Amino acid sequence: GAGVSQSPSNKVTEKGKDVELRCDPISGHTALYWYRQSLGQGLEFLIYFQGNSAPDKSGLPSDRFSAERTGGSVSTLTIQRTQQEDSAVYLCASRPFPGLAGGYGTDTQYFGPGTRLTVL
Amino acid sequence: AQRVTQPEKLLSVFKGAPVELKCNYSYSGSPELFWYVQYSRQRLQLLLRHISRESIKGFTADLNKGETSFHLKKPFAQEEDSAMYYCALRDGGATNKLIFGTGTLLAVQP
Repeated sequence: GAGVSQSPSNKVTEKGKDVELRCDPISGHTALYWYRQSLGQGLEFLIYFQGNSAPDKSGLPSDRFSAERTGGSVSTLTIQRTQQEDSAVYLCASRPFPGLAGGYGTDTQYFGPGTRLTVL
Repeated sequence: AQRVTQPEKLLSVFKGAPVELKCNYSYSGSPELFWYVQYSRQRLQLLLRHISRESIKGFTADLNKGETSFHLKKPFAQEEDSAMYYCALRDGGATNKLIFGTGTLLAVQP
């Protein structure tokens, strides 16, 4: 089946502009994550959605960052008043509903191709 | 604090040589560790997880709790192994988020 998709694949914007990044998770996956991949920094957790529960926003670096997930499926990450340090690849991942203990397949996160954001 | 350390940014080896990508972790409980791989122009994908004790594409990784390490090994490197490798630790909280190392670029020379 189709994997996680993200759009756009590339986004170039000017400092101070707002951007929206979109993620379409694998159908039926209830958990959705956003990560940021910066040069030399590895992958940094941003936010987590699980079903209809309140999201875990503990990784968002500032209040310029926000995300929502509509209908338990598509998610949008919004960055307001972009800064040059926001330049990175933003990755989305989804995971099936947490299964019973020992259900190894349910803990695998499936990643999208990412959106490369460049802030000039 | 939970942390994953990959000390090498780049590891260059010749085809057929053994490979060891180092990963050390800091975690107070019982860790669950993974190796993810990103080939050129491809998305990040799971390579292996310690809990299943599997060998994928000839790679193995053993969890050493005494040394808090989870090094990735392969006895004979192939050119197609060239990629970025990330070690990851699963957060013990409700999110199951992954805590990643900074990654090691493996370059296998012909």
